Amino acid sequence: DAKTTQPPSMDCAEGRAANLPCNHSTISGNEYVYWYRQIHSQGPQYIIHGLKNNETNEMASLIITEDRKSSTLILPHATLRDTAVYYCIVPYAGTASKLTFGTGTRLQVTL
Amino acid sequence: DTAVSQTPKYLVTQMGNDKSIKCEQNLGHDTMYWYKQDSKKFLKIMFSYNNKELIINETVPNRFSPKSPDKAHLNLHINSLELGDSAVYFCATGTGQDEQYFGPGTRLTVT
Repeated sequence: DAKTTQPPSMDCAEGRAANLPCNHSTISGNEYVYWYRQIHSQGPQYIIHGLKNNETNEMASLIITEDRKSSTLILPHATLRDTAVYYCIVPYAGTASKLTFGTGTRLQVTL
Repeated sequence: DTAVSQTPKYLVTQMGNDKSIKCEQNLGHDTMYWYKQDSKKFLKIMFSYNNKELIINETVPNRFSPKSPDKAHLNLHINSLELGDSAVYFCATGTGQDEQYFGPGTRLTVT
């Protein structure tokens, strides 16, 4: 898997946008970027994924730089329920068949 | 209906015992996985099955034996439990291409 680097922790005020960065400078041309999150004591939850175009779904937006060496997950209006560990993952050869979770970013949403 | 269910949710047992964790998915996916999350919160893939066939085995000790009676079930049997087996075990399912859906986890404590 391409190595990813994320900040260990971030804070965000409720109602504000949470912007979570991820560096993946060794990503290959056909490898996707996936984002998952794990809320305390629960199983990981898929959020979004993309290859090179920006993506948006009901949970979040994913902005991938033109050189694809980094990306940002955006939660447009963070709520207390978004407090979780967020993982940026680049699976081998662009498939999700083998996810390797790093240490992620612990996002704390506060009042 | 829960997409991915695991039983039991908690399992406390003594060293040397044999135990099983069951997983069922109702999403109709062909691929199922077992992950282990240790006390330091690192989440690692253990096994992957596709249509009841073993696809990924991440150098897990032979004491761990997954069994897939059908496409909707992937059970994990552990022989001769050791203290180091204490962890949270997550079952997941996916198409093998996109997102994976995780179960709620089984917290195994070996005393």
